[in-house]
Amino acid sequence: AQRVTQPEKLLSVFKGAPVELKCNYSYSGSPELFWYVQYSRQRLQLLLRHISRESIKGFTADLNKGETSFHLKKPFAQEEDSAMYYCALSGGGSGNTGKLIFGQGTTLQVKP
Amino acid sequence: GAVVSQHPSWVICKSGTSVKIECRSLDFQATTMFWYRQFPKQSLMLMATSNEGSKATYEQGVEKDKFLINHASLTLSTLTVTSAHPEDSSFYICSAGTANEKLFFGSGTQLSVL
Repeated sequence: AQRVTQPEKLLSVFKGAPVELKCNYSYSGSPELFWYVQYSRQRLQLLLRHISRESIKGFTADLNKGETSFHLKKPFAQEEDSAMYYCALSGGGSGNTGKLIFGQGTTLQVKP
Repeated sequence: GAVVSQHPSWVICKSGTSVKIECRSLDFQATTMFWYRQFPKQSLMLMATSNEGSKATYEQGVEKDKFLINHASLTLSTLTVTSAHPEDSSFYICSAGTANEKLFFGSGTQLSVL
């Protein structure tokens, strides 16, 4: 079964500390993995996708097929990073990118 | 980036009435739009895939007669919750994909059925 698991509902760190938001997935084929972010009172927006292999706002995520993980990392957290983060999986292929399976979400709280 | 407009942002209705939610891609054409549902403190659950000019594809467990989806043009998809009941109260979110398969989300609609 296709599934995305984010084991932590809440992650609280101090400003400047490293951050790792965990994401594990279950998918039989070759999935596309995404991280979406939702800042307070704003709409959901794409943070990064594993295919592009880019770093956005200092965040990176590496797809580990062996461990079926796609953890989101940032070396030094900023207060403005406080938000809800969703890991999502797509079966890929043309037209399927939007058919996403979301994890439960992790609230990141960066304290001053 | 591309903009997806979702309207209304919140709606309160009486049990038994129907509610229509609109999702528009403002500056791009979206052949495919997606409708999600989110319960409080839970994740987004895909309800259906809306394809322009054809019938929507519903996920398992989603009643197609309850949640009517119409994708009449390349910039508009609507979700109608028919004969709404309190258990239909939820946060509904749409998303639309661009030609290069980037996905943009609407701001969501909070539905409260009394």
